[in-house]
Amino acid sequence: DTEVTQTPKHLVMGMTNKKSLKCEQHMGHRAMYWYKQKAKKPPELMFVYSYEKLSINESVPSRFSPECPNSSLLNLHLHALQPEDSALYLCASSQEEWAEISLGNTEAFFGQGTRLTVV
Amino acid sequence: TQLLEQSPQFLSIQEGENLTVYCNSSSVFSSLQWYRQEPGEGPVLLVTVVTGGEVKKLKRLTFQFGDARKDSSLHITAAQTGDTGLYLCAGVVPQGGSEKLVFGKGTKLTVNP
Repeated sequence: DTEVTQTPKHLVMGMTNKKSLKCEQHMGHRAMYWYKQKAKKPPELMFVYSYEKLSINESVPSRFSPECPNSSLLNLHLHALQPEDSALYLCASSQEEWAEISLGNTEAFFGQGTRLTVV
Repeated sequence: TQLLEQSPQFLSIQEGENLTVYCNSSSVFSSLQWYRQEPGEGPVLLVTVVTGGEVKKLKRLTFQFGDARKDSSLHITAAQTGDTGLYLCAGVVPQGGSEKLVFGKGTKLTVNP
């Protein structure tokens, strides 16, 4: 099983709503990531969790709140978003964090993404 | 400044033609990864190149890592319509005592029948 599963696939929410994006992997990976991708742009890193602890927050606004309940799950809680937050939100995981990717010893697997539209 | 520069940004070719996509940087990378992404989907890893001068083949795709490990290329032979997609190169870069995986802007390839 080399899948990273994201739900929902599509989400439309109002600016006053609270919603959550979910990500799940059962590969035993210890690092999980949230990326944001706007149209015609590359993915941009938001958060990194390593061994269930937040290790990188790329100065993401507090209206995005990540949570890692266990080693297989990663959530992204959304509250009071703006229309410009509409994007494809991608979850990824890897066996270990960056150093192992850098050495080519591991791979980062991405989920299919959640297409978020804020109205 | 973009750390990883990809070229061309857009490429539209006919089925059966060959093409090369480039990923260049002024920085040295321990490894570079190539991904392919279709609209509305997540990136899918194609290959990781690690050793300077390394060449890896994946069916009609040939990946090369520059000797100095600053650049990489992806060559597709006899392109098919199924090759259409966004091709992204990515590398791990240091940031403030930590590191992160960064992507180039991508090359949007369209293969026409």
